Amino acid sequence: EAGVAQSPRYKIIEKRQSVAFWCNPISGHATLYWYQQILGQGPKLLIQFQNNGVVDDSQLPKDRFSAERLKGVDSTLKIQPAKLEDSAVYLCASSLEAGQMNYEQYFGPGTRLTVT
Amino acid sequence: AQSVTQLGSHVSVSEGALVLLRCNYSSSVPPYLFWYVQYPNQGLQLLLKYTTGATLVKGINGFEAEFKKSETSFHLTKPSAHMSDAAEYFCAVSDNDYKLSFGAGTTVTVRA
Repeated sequence: EAGVAQSPRYKIIEKRQSVAFWCNPISGHATLYWYQQILGQGPKLLIQFQNNGVVDDSQLPKDRFSAERLKGVDSTLKIQPAKLEDSAVYLCASSLEAGQMNYEQYFGPGTRLTVT
Repeated sequence: AQSVTQLGSHVSVSEGALVLLRCNYSSSVPPYLFWYVQYPNQGLQLLLKYTTGATLVKGINGFEAEFKKSETSFHLTKPSAHMSDAAEYFCAVSDNDYKLSFGAGTTVTVRA
């Protein structure tokens, strides 16, 4: 089966510019996650969707970050305006259904963002 | 709230030697525990997981981990390192909300 797809793989922008990342989860996966992975740290959950609804966005900096999953399939994460500290790898993951004991999150290759 | 501590940000082993990566967690409820591996420029891949049952868990690529509740640990081992094991390894914990909290990661290098 096809894995989680993300694009672009790399992006370099200047601070105060905007950027958008796209994620297409594994077919049939109801739950989609966006993580931020800063160099030298583990991934940190930004937002979790169940179908097209937000389950948890408590760690999302809502003054500059936004995310949507309008049709319950693919998703976009946007940063506007970007700051230097947003430089990180943004990982998308999906799972069949959150809340099941043996669920597994499948990760995409990530988008590496550099803000200069 | 749960948290994960991985002891040692870098581990260097000789090819054929034991790989031991340490992970300690804190959780207010019985946890679900995971080890993920990340190769350069790739996403995370699940190595193994503990949910319930047997405390010694076997995963892919010859790795295994043991859940020790009394020590709040979930250390990852592999008896004999291979060059292809060079990667970054993340321990993660999840409680009843199924959200993952990751450790900071341990980078493994394998010497020929």
